[in-house]
Amino acid sequence: QVQLVQSGAEVTKPGSSMKVSCTPSGGSLTRYTINWVRQAPGQGLEWMGSIIPSIGLTNFAQKFQGRLSITADESTNTAYLDLSSLRSEDTAVFYCAGQSPGTANAFDVWGQGTLVTVSS
Amino acid sequence: QSALTQSASVSGSPGQAITISCTGTSVDVGSYNLVSWYQQHPGKAPKLLIYEVTKRPSGVSDRFSGSKSGNTASLTISGLQAEDEADYYCCAYGGPNTMLFGGGTKLTVL
Repeated sequence: QVQLVQSGAEVTKPGSSMKVSCTPSGGSLTRYTINWVRQAPGQGLEWMGSIIPSIGLTNFAQKFQGRLSITADESTNTAYLDLSSLRSEDTAVFYCAGQSPGTANAFDVWGQGTLVTVSS
Repeated sequence: QSALTQSASVSGSPGQAITISCTGTSVDVGSYNLVSWYQQHPGKAPKLLIYEVTKRPSGVSDRFSGSKSGNTASLTISGLQAEDEADYYCCAYGGPNTMLFGGGTKLTVL
């Protein structure tokens, strides 16, 4: 079973940017549509956006337009989430979630999550 | 777009069946058979239970089943077990090219 492996926890300051990576273990990134989902402490899941790595096509939730970037590097088999202009309310666990062919608009493989703390 | 609506909590005794509902609108849940359900234990990543309203991924117990009527989707868990205690989230295609999650339902097994 392929898993998604994410980068480690970060602590960052308000106004700065964060970057989280996501790599499938033992599989090709291009097999999946990669989505990013965040979960604030004690809160529910929130879809942020997605990328089809083979063609670089991205989609974003409206609330993140303008400060969210999702990219994929086929040479390193890695997807990235970049969120800028961070504020304290962006403190959350960020998950990458993969959608395999045949599971339309559902996330069948997940990363372990990356905690990003925004604090001065 | 607003999040899908789920009840905050539900409970049941071992062996019983419970149903968790997820209410959207005619633009999301009501328009597409693209509803999925996830189980999340504390401190863990979510796990896919149901996709395309009724389909179960390989390895997911047949105690979990999904359905939809109009703008409301439902997850039914039969034969409740202690390990089913977790948070459950619905998710739906919200078109165009966006996804919506429900607020989550905490299941307590009494």
